[in-house]
Amino acid sequence: QVQLQESGPGPVKPSETLSLTCTVSGGFIRNYYWSWIRQPPGKGLEWIGEIYNEGNTKYNPSLKSRVTISADRSKNNFSLRLNSVTAADSAIYYCARHVRSWGASYLDVWGKGTPVTVSS
Amino acid sequence: QSVLTQPPSASGTPGQRVIISCSGSSSNIGGHTVNWYQQLPGTAPKLLIYSDNQRSSGVPDRFSASKSGTSASLAISGLQSDDEAYYYCAAWDDSLTGHMVFGGGTKLTVL
Repeated sequence: QVQLQESGPGPVKPSETLSLTCTVSGGFIRNYYWSWIRQPPGKGLEWIGEIYNEGNTKYNPSLKSRVTISADRSKNNFSLRLNSVTAADSAIYYCARHVRSWGASYLDVWGKGTPVTVSS
Repeated sequence: QSVLTQPPSASGTPGQRVIISCSGSSSNIGGHTVNWYQQLPGTAPKLLIYSDNQRSSGVPDRFSASKSGTSASLAISGLQSDDEAYYYCAAWDDSLTGHMVFGGGTKLTVL
């Protein structure tokens, strides 16, 4: 059974870079899409972007200029970097497996989420 | 402002049937399949329905969904107290370079 676990260094200061890693266990990252999603306190879900096979990425247009998603097949994990953060980037960040096949596109396995606070 | 529109709240009494709507456009719901996620308090979202009307593994048949044109709906019958949660619809959107979009979420209260 595939499980995902987000990890990161903790609080981030404004204008700095937020970095998170999602470690996948119980399965391999190859041949699947993997997404990052976030949820600001008391608000709804926002898709950040996805990666497929270490090189193919797609990002939310609203965040595209600040986001980089990468993957490391040798470590079986994928990562998120968000530059120039502000308080508006404070949220719970989730990673998820993104199934895309035969016209379907859905997030079937989610991590528990990790809270990120942007504060000086 | 979410791309997909959901009512912010819905409610029902135990045993009742509740329907949650989700409205979009031709670039998302009208051209792609719709998914529904359930988020219980303090937990990560969980896939409830995928590909418009397919229940995810382990989801009871009290949950059903449908889609017509640029709108979708989630129906919960035989409402139970532990159905109290936020429900989010989502779909792929073809605008710009393509991305996933969510509804703003509907808080379901079991009275």
